[in-house]
Amino acid sequence: DQQVKQNSPSLSVQEGRISILNCDYTNSMFDYFLWYKKYPAEGPTFLISISSIKDKNEDGRFTVFLNKSAKHLSLHIVPSQPGDSAVYFCAASLTGNQFYFGTGTSLTVIP
Amino acid sequence: NAGVTQTPKFQVLKTGQSMTLQCAQDMNHEYMSWYRQDPGMGLRLIHYSVGAGITDQGEVPNGYNVSRSTTEDFPLRLLSAAPSQTSVYFCASSYSSSGELFFGEGSRLTVL
Repeated sequence: DQQVKQNSPSLSVQEGRISILNCDYTNSMFDYFLWYKKYPAEGPTFLISISSIKDKNEDGRFTVFLNKSAKHLSLHIVPSQPGDSAVYFCAASLTGNQFYFGTGTSLTVIP
Repeated sequence: NAGVTQTPKFQVLKTGQSMTLQCAQDMNHEYMSWYRQDPGMGLRLIHYSVGAGITDQGEVPNGYNVSRSTTEDFPLRLLSAAPSQTSVYFCASSYSSSGELFFGEGSRLTVL
């Protein structure tokens, strides 16, 4: 059973606008959340993370929001750029050793 | 600046054959892991290791073996390949078990 879910397989956004990617999880014990970006034929690369003790973390154009009561996190990209077009995976981990990944959302930023 | 290196990048096997996917990292990371990526399934953890001599199972360990004799290397062995093991495999490492993962470029395996 999928513990981390990304219900939108794809998203298209105009350049300069905001991209919002969503992720839901089922295990309330997860304490660390991450977003990864993946280009075709490459491995995923780390984008941004958030600890369960926070509800927001920013890094430049990227902001991750965590809503623990709803078991939901989101990644905001503002402004979106064509180079942001990629597949985005969210991941969650328990303190320890296992990371659980979502199925990914393919973002297309239209110039 | 090698990071995480996986070999081979592509492999075709026949059912029942064995092979080893190699993974090496040069960042002195204690934590290493193997994932498989399948359409609609995301990345699923196969096995992981928190240090030399220590390995454990992830979500989908059946059909795979691992060992960790050095900090740098974490090979994944398929003892008797099955078509269900057709996938893209990623090796990843981290400075700790709860830190960000650094991924290799992936190994695409096809089992006929």
